[in-house]
Order: sequence, then structure tokens, then C-alpha cells
Amino acid sequence: GDSVTQMEGPVTLSEEAFLTINCTYTATGYPSLFWYVQYPGEGLQLLLKATKADDKGSNKGFEATYRKETTSFHLEKGSVQVSDSAVYFCALGGSQGNLIFGKGTKLSVKP
Amino acid sequence: GAVVSQHPSRVICKSGTSVKIECRSLDFQATTMFWYRQFPKQSLMLMATSNEGSKATYEQGVEKDKFLINHASLTLSTLTVTSAHPEDSSFYICSARDAPRGPQHFGDGTRLSIL
Repeated sequence: GDSVTQMEGPVTLSEEAFLTINCTYTATGYPSLFWYVQYPGEGLQLLLKATKADDKGSNKGFEATYRKETTSFHLEKGSVQVSDSAVYFCALGGSQGNLIFGKGTKLSVKP
Repeated sequence: GAVVSQHPSRVICKSGTSVKIECRSLDFQATTMFWYRQFPKQSLMLMATSNEGSKATYEQGVEKDKFLINHASLTLSTLTVTSAHPEDSSFYICSARDAPRGPQHFGDGTRLSIL
């Protein structure tokens, strides 16, 4: 079945460092891909998405490109801030309209 | 726009108690709502999908008699954990969407702790 694999954390970075969180997927067809962010004690917020191959989603300095050839949707940010500390989930849109999530990657940014 | 309110945010209760969690879409009509469960340091696992006015569709391994879901209106779905036990302690999150292929909007989650 469809699945999402993302790098395990936690990831600890210094402020202004470059961030990459890897995400690969297995799916039939070409699902939409998403990154969600979960701040401590809160629910999930959609960070960005891409609906077809080569699409680039971007928001708040974060970017991810839908790579069909490598079945990947890696999340990147050029310069992280302390306020970016959160858990990041990669997800794909299932055939039933549901979301299939990766296990999440906890990011801690130190000042 | 697209705000989903989940209540309560935290519940602590004794074993054997039934707990009801509400999920409301505040500014849109939610044709479909989803209930997820999140274990510590793990991903969100879909428990069930509910469509307004019909029975919920449960994922494999989820006890429908244990986790009662009601979606009585286009703005409200409830999850009742019946006769809760410590192993039911978890973070429960709902989401809602207003169209078949529309985005899911998430509530802030409910931390359930069963003593």
C-alpha cells in the first residue's frame, strides 16, 4: 500500500543553519504531497503542498519539490529560526481522500 | 478561514469512564471529517472517516464499539471513547474538509490521559 518514509529525528540545528528533511514515498499513481508542521501542544498545520511532478511548494521560507523520478519530496529551508522548532510530517494524499503520514521529524533550533 | 475547533484540549479521567471529544468546523461545512490517533514519537494513524449523515468508516484494527463516531451535522463530529482504559491514552486529532478533494483542516488535538 501507499506509504511515506521520512528521516528520523530529532534534528538539532543552530539558528541560520540550512535544513533538509528527507521524505520519500511509495504510491500507485501520482498523489498530492504535503508537509505539515506541528508546534508543541498544537494540531497540524499545512506548511506546503505539491500536486504534480516537478511542482515546488513553498511557504515561510520552506520549499519542497515533487520529484517523480526519485519519489521524493524533501523539505528544505535556507536559514532556520528558533521559531521553526516543531515536528514536521510528510504526507501523501490517499486514494480515498485521506492522508498518509510519515512518522514525523522533530526539529530543534538553538539560538 | 477554515478553522476547526476541537474540544476539550486535554482530558484526565479514571479508567472505565467514557470520554467525548468534539470536532467543529467553525466557518465552513465539513462534508467529511477524519479522526486520527497519534502515539508518542509516532505518526498520525487514521482511525476513521466520517461523512455527515452516514456511518463512519473505520480503519482496520480500530474497534468501532470502542471508538464511537457521530457526524450528525455538517459542522460537528464527535468521537466517544467508551469505557476508556490506560492504553487508550493518546493524542487524538480531527480534521475536516469541505469538498471531496479539498484540503484537510486540522483541529488542535485532544490529549487524553486515562489513570
